[in-house]
Amino acid sequence: QVQLVQSGSELKNPGASVKISCKASGYTFNTYGVIWVRQAPGQGLEWMGWIKTNSGNPTYAQGFTGRFVFSLDTSVSTAYLQISSLKAEDTAIYYCARRSSTWYSDYWGQGTLVTVSS
Amino acid sequence: QSALTQPASVSGSPGQSITISCTGTNSDVGSYNLVSWYQHHPGKAPKLIIYEAIKRPSGVSNRFSGSKSGNTASLTISGLQTEDESDYYCSSYVGGSTLMFGGGTKLTVL
Repeated sequence: QVQLVQSGSELKNPGASVKISCKASGYTFNTYGVIWVRQAPGQGLEWMGWIKTNSGNPTYAQGFTGRFVFSLDTSVSTAYLQISSLKAEDTAIYYCARRSSTWYSDYWGQGTLVTVSS
Repeated sequence: QSALTQPASVSGSPGQSITISCTGTNSDVGSYNLVSWYQHHPGKAPKLIIYEAIKRPSGVSNRFSGSKSGNTASLTISGLQTEDESDYYCSSYVGGSTLMFGGGTKLTVL
């Protein structure tokens, strides 16, 4: 069965970096893109961008350039989201999901809570 | 780009029908039938309930239906049940290999 399993919760100090993993199984990894979505406390879902798993080419939404990096390790069917220079406002749940050719996401990771606090 | 516009909240009684709108522009919702709807219980993974504006994934109740007219897509839930109480989000392809979510709608089943 298709699964996306994300790494566990993180507590980070401001200015630190975090790298979240999203391990896919149950399908051919490079046939679907991977999207990343943020949900800040009390806020809605926000599309961060996506990465083409057959090329590694990332696309970032406005507001998610510079400190946010999408990457892959196709040998282990895993996508990564790295956030550098963390700020308190990066505190959120981050979700990965697989992206179909018609832009829907039928399978999602369970979410990773990142808390940025000193 | 601003988020797609959804009502912040809707409510209905068990057995009733409700409709949630998702309004974009002629550059996004109006240009593509690539609208999806998700049900999201806080703390859980979002669940796809409608894709390509009108299609329902297997396993999703036929009480959920989608439609689109012009720049507005809509999600209708018929025969409301208490377990439908959740947050609902639309998303649309907006061109340039990018996607956008709506602001979300909180459904309360009274």
